[in-house]
Formats: sequence, structure tokens, C-alpha cells
Amino acid sequence: DIQMTQSPSSVSASVGDRVTISCRASQAISTWLAWYQQKPGKAPQVLIYAASHLQSGVSSRFRGSGSGTHFTLTISSLQPEDFATYYCQQGDSFPWTFGQGTKVEIK
Amino acid sequence: QITLKESGPALVRPTQTLTLTCTFSGFSLNTPGVGVGWIRQPPGKALEWLALIFSGDDKRYSPSLRSRLTITKDTSKNEVVLRMTNMGPGDTGTYFCAHRMFRESLFDYWGLGTLVTVSS
Repeated sequence: DIQMTQSPSSVSASVGDRVTISCRASQAISTWLAWYQQKPGKAPQVLIYAASHLQSGVSSRFRGSGSGTHFTLTISSLQPEDFATYYCQQGDSFPWTFGQGTKVEIK
Repeated sequence: QITLKESGPALVRPTQTLTLTCTFSGFSLNTPGVGVGWIRQPPGKALEWLALIFSGDDKRYSPSLRSRLTITKDTSKNEVVLRMTNMGPGDTGTYFCAHRMFRESLFDYWGLGTLVTVSS
């Protein structure tokens, strides 16, 4: 299985801050990477697919980058509704695997 | 508009078999390339991919759970069923079904999830 490792596990930030979350794959996955946002008690929602493509309806303050084994999700200016847990997921090969999550908390 | 909804028991006894049904609308599992998957999440923990079934009846499973899982589809009812045998306390969590994004390897529409507790 391809292991996905996110860092940090949690981050405290203020409204307006720029936040960067890293995701590393245990082997190269090209750009078969998605980012999800999950709020408590809710299902995940896809933000980014194919490493850098913004899902329809998602704010442009979310940006994804990377290829191979290292990927980044950047939130350019944190908004109150962005406080949530973020997961990366690889789709290069089965089984699809998720990172352990990064919780973005209010500072 | 694509929607999915999970249904099944909220409580399962240890060693029992869990059967979950995903009822969907807005797409057809007769359409080539379409897929529906299952993902679970233990309380306070990360997401875990379980299984995926494609319109051509190709099925993929998590290797660590492969011996316990069966995924099937009923295209006439717009349903996908997941069965998990020999349930234990470690299987407690929220189970989601989700629609695979066309030509991509991710899930773009999710059900609300159903919480399954394994306890005697």
C-alpha cells in the first residue's frame, strides 16, 4: 500500500493567515492526489483533484501543488469557515489511501 | 444532482455480519466508468478506504480487509451493498458511501454517513 503522511497533524492559525499543509507519498504517484475538507459530523468534501485542479464551487483561496511524492495544500487567507480537518488521498493505485489528517484550529 | 444515502444497523454484535446499503440517485451504475465506494472513519480518527465497485462489475478491496468484505450492486434499484463479516469493536465508526469522480481517482459526492457501533 502507498502510505500518505501529512504534516503538521494540527495547526493553530488566525483569520487571514496563510496556511500550508504538506502531504508526502511513500512512492511516486504522479499527480493522482486529492484534498478533502471535513467538518465535525459531516462528510468530507473534495477541494482539489489531480494535485492542483480546483473542484467546481470551491474558493480560489485553496491551492494545491506538487507531483511525484510531495504535495502541498495552501489556504491563502484563512476564513472562519475553513477551520476543519484536511485529508489528502492518493488514487495512483489500489488501495486508495488517505493521510492521517491535519486539523486547522483557531488561534 | 447526485445524492447518496447509507442505511443499515446502528448496532452490531461482535462476530456478526454488517450489511450496509447505499442508495443513490443522479447517476447510473450502468454507465461505463462510474463507480461507488465505501469509506469508514473510526471516532476521532482518519478516513479509511474500504472498497469500490465499477459499472462493469470490477471490484476493488482494501487488502487488509479483503477476506471480510463483499461489495455488490443492484443497478435496477440504484443500490450498492457492502457486507463485512466477523465484526469487532475496532470496526466501530461512521461508514460513508461515495461516488467516484468520472475518470479520476477520488470521490466527489458523499453520503452523510451512518454510525455503526460494535458492542455486545
